[in-house]
Amino acid sequence: SQQGEEDPQALSIQEGENATMNCSYKTSINNLQWYRQNSGRGLVHLILIRSNEREKHSGRLRVTLDTSKKSSSLLITASRAADTASYFCATEGGYQLIWGAGTKLIIKP
Amino acid sequence: EAGVAQSPRYKIIEKRQSVAFWCNPISGHATLYWYQQILGQGPKLLIQFQNNGVVDDSQLPKDRFSAERLKGVDSTLKIQPAKLEDSAVYLCASSLEVGQGEQYFGPGTRLTVT
Repeated sequence: SQQGEEDPQALSIQEGENATMNCSYKTSINNLQWYRQNSGRGLVHLILIRSNEREKHSGRLRVTLDTSKKSSSLLITASRAADTASYFCATEGGYQLIWGAGTKLIIKP
Repeated sequence: EAGVAQSPRYKIIEKRQSVAFWCNPISGHATLYWYQQILGQGPKLLIQFQNNGVVDDSQLPKDRFSAERLKGVDSTLKIQPAKLEDSAVYLCASSLEVGQGEQYFGPGTRLTVT
């Protein structure tokens, strides 16, 4: 069963702009992770934020977590063509990850 | 370090035939996962191993799917007999331990059932 729901389902922006995608989930979690999937590199882990953290940065990525609203957001700044991919949030509440359906991001040159 | 290896990368079979996928996880990773990903959807966990033992196989269609992890390293996933709805990408992933955050994924096997 899918717990996370990403929003929007698809996003198309110009290169250089920022991209924001959101994830909502239903049950309590230990951590929330974001992954990227493209045809070239497969499914790759981007960042993990624990339930007691509110914000985390990694390079051009910024993730926030609001456990009271059961939601998270992923911000990619200064987007590049190589950021074109599908982005998934996955929540870990026990011993497995439960995945959303993903946001498809297209970066236009 | 070497990543998660999977083979074959692509497989086309007819319905009712059988197929097997192989996975070699990252060395030292105790936990191994098999996922099914249908086009346009997120990965769906089929089975999770911790060393030799099964942690969760609640979403594995056991009438047709089977998986094993011999000696706590390599794993095979088998489908017999295949149905049209089994067409998907089968992903193998590994992590250091259960519930230890980041999972590392292999390139996947794209299965087409005709």
